[in-house]
Amino acid sequence: DAGVTQSPTHLIKTRGQHVTLRCSPISGHKSVSWYQQVLGQGPQFIFQYYEKEERGRGNFPDRFSARQFPNYSSELNVNALLLGDSALYLCASSLAPTGSYEQYFGPGTRLTVT
Amino acid sequence: AQSVSQHNHHVILSEAASLELGCNYSYGGTVNLFWYVQYPGQHLQLLLKYFSGDPLVKGIKGFEAEFIKSKFSFNLRKPSVQWSDTAEYFCAVNGPPAGNMLTFGGGTRLMVKP
Repeated sequence: DAGVTQSPTHLIKTRGQHVTLRCSPISGHKSVSWYQQVLGQGPQFIFQYYEKEERGRGNFPDRFSARQFPNYSSELNVNALLLGDSALYLCASSLAPTGSYEQYFGPGTRLTVT
Repeated sequence: AQSVSQHNHHVILSEAASLELGCNYSYGGTVNLFWYVQYPGQHLQLLLKYFSGDPLVKGIKGFEAEFIKSKFSFNLRKPSVQWSDTAEYFCAVNGPPAGNMLTFGGGTRLMVKP
């Protein structure tokens, strides 16, 4: 079975630009979460979506937005990129957003902002 | 708000040495606890999890962890490490009302010398 897939794997952008990251969950999983992992730190929660509705949002500015599509795939958008947005962006999927459901992580998208 | 502390940022061990990585969390309610591992160049994988019941949980690859509620701790242990255990280890927690959104510790980078 295919795991969580993310695209692109690597991305280089310039300050002020906009970026869209994509995630396809494991088949049958309806919940998708996004995390930011800055080098040397643990992942930080950004968003969670379930059945196309936002279920949670971490402490990130409004420049960050996301959505989930009818096929449960998801996009993370970041506007007006800053140098500090350089990080590994992880997508995780689960059957549902309740605590007992394990999250499965994708390989991540490495974003570099210059 | 939940928070997770991992006391050791870098650990270097020789093969066959015993391993214990510390993890403490702050959250007053019911929690689910996790240890994830990130091998070089690979995505985050679940090592083990605790939801309820026996506070000593066993995971993959010979790892185990003990939940001590009175100490808000969930330390990871392995009796004899191998070179292939070289990786970064993350402790994480979730709990109501945050569903299965994870709060991660800062990670411990383990290097095992052959």
